[in-house]
Amino acid sequence: GNSVTQMEGPVTLSEEAFLTINCTYTATGYPSLFWYVQYPGEGLQLLLKATKADDKGSNKGFEATYRKETTSFHLEKGSVQVSDSAVYFCALRGKNTGFQKLVFGTGTRLLVSP
Amino acid sequence: DADVTQTPRNRITKTGKRIMLECSQTKGHDRMYWYRQDPGLGLRLIYYSFDVKDINKGEISDGYSVSRQAQAKFSLSLESAIPNQTALYFCATSDSQGNGYTFGSGTRLTVV
Repeated sequence: GNSVTQMEGPVTLSEEAFLTINCTYTATGYPSLFWYVQYPGEGLQLLLKATKADDKGSNKGFEATYRKETTSFHLEKGSVQVSDSAVYFCALRGKNTGFQKLVFGTGTRLLVSP
Repeated sequence: DADVTQTPRNRITKTGKRIMLECSQTKGHDRMYWYRQDPGLGLRLIYYSFDVKDINKGEISDGYSVSRQAQAKFSLSLESAIPNQTALYFCATSDSQGNGYTFGSGTRLTVV
């Protein structure tokens, strides 16, 4: 079945550092890929998405590129801020016929210090 | 008001008690979902509903039941709570194509 593997956290960075959170997936065909962010005490919010190979999703300075060859969708940001501290979830949804549930990775906690 | 509202936000209950978690939405979405979040396990799907008359089990439905009272309301029940049901529970909605997932703020449930 479909699955998502993302790097374990926590990831601890200083403000203005470069961020990479790795995500790889296993799926039949070419799923849609997502990054969700969960701030403390809140629900998940969609951060960005990509629906086909080589697409780049971007939002709030975060980017991720859908790499079919490496089945990856790594999240990057050039300069993190303290306010980026949160848990980040990589997810996929298949495109086969019938109900395709959203499948989540285990989440990666990011801690950014001043 | 939030698009997806969950009540209560926090609940502590005793083993063996029945408890209901409620979810209401103003998105106008047809599909509603209940997820459970555990540390190191991500989110797992408990139940999902395509409309009032269409309810389906997810990957971890044992020990849970649901009711879709209206298009906008989807409740999750634990008939006899047990400690390993201690978790963070999220309700979510999406449109009929499975797009536009919107999550509630979660209910933190502790079973003692």
